Amino acid sequence: DTGVSQNPRHKITKRGQNVTFRCDPISEHNRLYWYRQTLGQGPEFLTYFQNEAQLEKSRLLSDRFSAERPKGSFSTLEIQRTEQGDSAMYLCAPEGGDSGANVLTFGAGSRLTVL
Amino acid sequence: GQQVMQIPQYQHVQEGEDFTTYCNSSTTLSNIQWYKQRPGGHPVFLIQLVKSGEVKKQKRLTFQFGEAKKNSSLHITATQTTDVGTYFCAGRGFSVEYGNKLVFGAGTILRVKS
Repeated sequence: DTGVSQNPRHKITKRGQNVTFRCDPISEHNRLYWYRQTLGQGPEFLTYFQNEAQLEKSRLLSDRFSAERPKGSFSTLEIQRTEQGDSAMYLCAPEGGDSGANVLTFGAGSRLTVL
Repeated sequence: GQQVMQIPQYQHVQEGEDFTTYCNSSTTLSNIQWYKQRPGGHPVFLIQLVKSGEVKKQKRLTFQFGEAKKNSSLHITATQTTDVGTYFCAGRGFSVEYGNKLVFGAGTILRVKS
């Protein structure tokens, strides 16, 4: 148990479809991050929230990607008009907790496969 | 933008041998963190280094932060099969331009032969 629930764990979709991932931290965290990871690479920063405010978004991120954290607790990441290059593991990571204020606790991730 | 590089990309050692992975940043870091990802798993926090020249130990793992706060290393003494996985360093910069995000290296994959 990571303390972070991500759903769905796996998603297979056809190119052009929209997908949405959800992240539910068990406890309260001010900051929450989204990362993307492909095989053989480190997590790549996508965006992060301070409570409900989205404070930073990667300049590499297409406008097809949007994220929300409406009540400052759970968060959603939506990808519109998916492309094959979007296939990756999408990781949610609240910041803070027992390991330290600046530490990220990653969820198990949502794996996206775009056919 | 801010970049974090790790070497080697991959290392295969005999059980009982030592292992070291190195991390270099293109910018001065406010802190550096290390994470371990087991095969099929997600990154799990190991340690954070904040001070210039800081050295921290966790059992057989030794972590160092460079004097200039631009590089770091992780050394494992007498590797065991349980050490298998990918080790990532991740740094935060000082610059407002780079924001508050944690930038990860590409990781070093460690395989241990028993």
